[in-house]
Amino acid sequence: DAKTTQPNSMESNEEEPVHLPCNHSTISGTDYIHWYRQLPSQGPEYVIHGLTSNVNNRMASLAIAEDRKSSTLILHRATLRDAAVYYCILRDARGNAGNMLTFGGGTRLMVKP
Amino acid sequence: KAGVTQTPRYLIKTRGQQVTLSCSPISGHRSVSWYQQTPGQGLQFLFEYFSETQRNKGNFPGRFSGRQFSNSRSEMNVSTLELGDSALYLCASSSRTSATTDTQYFGPGTRLTVL
Repeated sequence: DAKTTQPNSMESNEEEPVHLPCNHSTISGTDYIHWYRQLPSQGPEYVIHGLTSNVNNRMASLAIAEDRKSSTLILHRATLRDAAVYYCILRDARGNAGNMLTFGGGTRLMVKP
Repeated sequence: KAGVTQTPRYLIKTRGQQVTLSCSPISGHRSVSWYQQTPGQGLQFLFEYFSETQRNKGNFPGRFSGRQFSNSRSEMNVSTLELGDSALYLCASSSRTSATTDTQYFGPGTRLTVL
């Protein structure tokens, strides 16, 4: 399986934008890029996903590099509630792994008031 | 819609005992996956069930088993508990309409402590 690399931790100020990077240099053409986050004392929750084009939803934006070897999750205005561990995960479009998610270490985002 | 529910939320067992954890998926979801989360190993996939059949299995010993019922509810069982089995056990459900876009909805987890 293609692997992802993320910084262990990042810090942000409240109400400022946050850019969370993810490297996936061995990504295959059939891999979708998914992001989940885990708030303290909760199970992970879906944030966003994309294949080639940049994506926006109410929670965040996903910017995907042209060569797809990296991506960036963008929180436009961080709030204290966004403090969580963010996971970048690759999912094969061929569905061979079913619904299995392979989590890496993720990035722990700390938001300062 | 009610979310994924897991029972019990907390559990304390002793070494050698066995334990059964329960997961009720979101109504209409037919796929249930289980994960183990520990500080040392992070989140690791245990197994996935779909329509009462195990579809995928992670790299865990045979002491870890599961099943899914016709109403999609799932249970996982750990026999002969070891101290290292202390972890947060998370259940996730999905409608599995498309593997690439299926969102996994996670429950709050069951915190298992083995003494």
